Amino acid sequence: QQQVKQSPQSLIVQKGGISIINCAYENTAFDYFPWYQQFPGKGPALLIAIRPDVSEKKEGRFTISFNKSAKQFSLHIMDSQPGDSATYFCAAFQGGSEKLVFGKGTKLTVNP
Amino acid sequence: DVKVTQSSRYLVKRTGEKVFLECVQDMDHENMFWYRQDPGLGLRLIYFSYDVKMKEKGDIPEGYSVSREKKERFSLILESASTNQTSMYLCASSEPSWNTEAFFGQGTRLTVV
Repeated sequence: QQQVKQSPQSLIVQKGGISIINCAYENTAFDYFPWYQQFPGKGPALLIAIRPDVSEKKEGRFTISFNKSAKQFSLHIMDSQPGDSATYFCAAFQGGSEKLVFGKGTKLTVNP
Repeated sequence: DVKVTQSSRYLVKRTGEKVFLECVQDMDHENMFWYRQDPGLGLRLIYFSYDVKMKEKGDIPEGYSVSREKKERFSLILESASTNQTSMYLCASSEPSWNTEAFFGQGTRLTVV
């Protein structure tokens, strides 16, 4: 049973374009939604996160959009750069469970 | 700089061997986790520990056990390695908070032959 569904599995974008990765969840008890970025040979690292009482959070070129009623959230990368090429994981956290549930990941390739 | 250190980057073991993967964190975190990463399957939680000597099963605990004798160290044990346990193993640690950030090690690529 996949608790967080992520799409697409892979994404190719031209430099300067917008990268969009989508996630959906079912468990309404989730109360924290982070995105992790993983470069080859490295462990994932926190990129940006949002709580469900906020509809959007922006940090530099990275924006999370959150739709609580639809139980969906997405990561937008504006002006995508080759250095953004990595695997991105959405995740969800349920307070009290102490566990992060991850999506299956999206491999982003930004062509120069 | 916070750090989660996994003892090996690459391991090759034979089927049936007992395998120990070690993880140490220097952030005094309460929570520690072991994940397995496979292409197309993402990160799947094997076990986690919320205190010394405390552990809880994750989503795929079969074939694995863990040990946490000290707060900073969390070990993953493959009692009898099998080829289907060939994978990337990631250790992580975090504080017990709703907005917790999980800090990951660089991973151990285990190949069972």
